[in-house]
Amino acid sequence: AQTVTQSQPEMSVQEAETVTLSCTYDTSESDYYLFWYKQPPSRQMILVIRQEAYKQQNATENRFSVNFQKAAKSFSLKISDSQLGDAAMYFCAYRSTQGGSEKLVFGKGTKLTVNP
Amino acid sequence: KAGVTQTPRYLIKTRGQQVTLSCSPISGHRSVSWYQQTPGQGLQFLFEYFSETQRNKGNFPGRFSGRQFSNSRSEMNVSTLELGDSALYLCASTRSRDAEAFFGQGTRLTVV
Repeated sequence: AQTVTQSQPEMSVQEAETVTLSCTYDTSESDYYLFWYKQPPSRQMILVIRQEAYKQQNATENRFSVNFQKAAKSFSLKISDSQLGDAAMYFCAYRSTQGGSEKLVFGKGTKLTVNP
Repeated sequence: KAGVTQTPRYLIKTRGQQVTLSCSPISGHRSVSWYQQTPGQGLQFLFEYFSETQRNKGNFPGRFSGRQFSNSRSEMNVSTLELGDSALYLCASTRSRDAEAFFGQGTRLTVV
């Protein structure tokens, strides 16, 4: 079974600075999807960024980028120019491409605080 | 385009009762998944439905059940509620297998 580990329960960053959230995963599959979701106090999970395992190029969405290291099974999220609105819980998630299921396996999350 | 809608948003039930939660996916999305979120266990997969069929099920007791209707709306039911069932229940819908999941705002269930 796949597992996702987020080793940083909490992180803080100064506004306008850069922060990196860590995520490692365990799988025997070669093709899969990885996601970072953000959950603000409103509780709604919002997709931040996604990465297909077969793509070597790291995904980027505006101020958010990932460092995907397939061999190391690592998938970190970098937030540049942090804004107060980035404060939230961040979850790393894995989804298999096999078996026809769209089940997501989540890490425990990292609570990000942005200090003004 | 309307997002994923979950009702009710909040619910308080007594131990031993049963509860039904509802999820309306984004129009055109045929896959619906349910997750339980608690401080201790984090986000755990409950089950997934596609075209009215349960496609996958998580490791939860039989008290947890669900179904999907022909319009893709889904319900989950928890019978004989226990205090430990208090959680945020999240529903997600997906358009296709290579697309991302969109989540609703969840139903906060409190069992007293």
